[in-house]
Amino acid sequence: QSVLTQPPSVSGAPGQRVTISCTGSSSNMGAGDDVHWYQQLPGTAPRLLIYANSNRPSGVPDRFSGSKSGTSASLAITGLQAEDEADYYCQSYDSSLSGPVAFGGGTKLTVL
Amino acid sequence: QVQLVQSGAEVKKPGASVKVSCKVSGYTLTELSMHWVRQAPGKGLEWMGGFDPEDGETIYAQKFQGRATMTEDTSTDTAYMELSSLRSEDTAVYYCATPHQLELLGINYAMDVWGQGTTVTVSS
Repeated sequence: QSVLTQPPSVSGAPGQRVTISCTGSSSNMGAGDDVHWYQQLPGTAPRLLIYANSNRPSGVPDRFSGSKSGTSASLAITGLQAEDEADYYCQSYDSSLSGPVAFGGGTKLTVL
Repeated sequence: QVQLVQSGAEVKKPGASVKVSCKVSGYTLTELSMHWVRQAPGKGLEWMGGFDPEDGETIYAQKFQGRATMTEDTSTDTAYMELSSLRSEDTAVYYCATPHQLELLGINYAMDVWGQGTTVTVSS
């Protein structure tokens, strides 16, 4: 079981907006630690999508956005495209014994 | 532009050790903090350990303490991750990754540059 909890799957039609949640605890997000998001296309290495809750690295489309409040965070994808079909992982610093790098279990996004 | 190029796939027997390499180009290894993340087939990402620039030490996830060893050869800008006493559950893709630009922002525990991954298969 992961320190950060994500839904196993979400889906949406092309053009729609989807959100992926990430729930943490007082040992990570609740302690003020930032959340980062990664996209992993099939058969490839993860790619940093959002860092420090809501910042996009160069080259990431503004269709992707992130937010964090208390012990929860969300990744939103607007104008869904077929190429967005991938696994998405949240990650945060964690001060528990399992830390300091904690990943969510991952969410599979299916574009219908 | 930093690039991380990892060694090729490995097949090992239970009880053996494996050593995966990660060659840095575009920067020198001394300018980077290296982390290792693995992914079992069909499973999520699992952090194994990495360099903490504030303490100047490599930190291991509790699960891998005593079994994983992360080293660096600065003369060749190559990082290594050795995992011993392999078992079938260690079958996974192993990634090296670094907080290259993120570290400049004070973010030491996220990764913005990743290697391509090395598949390690443990089978008798």
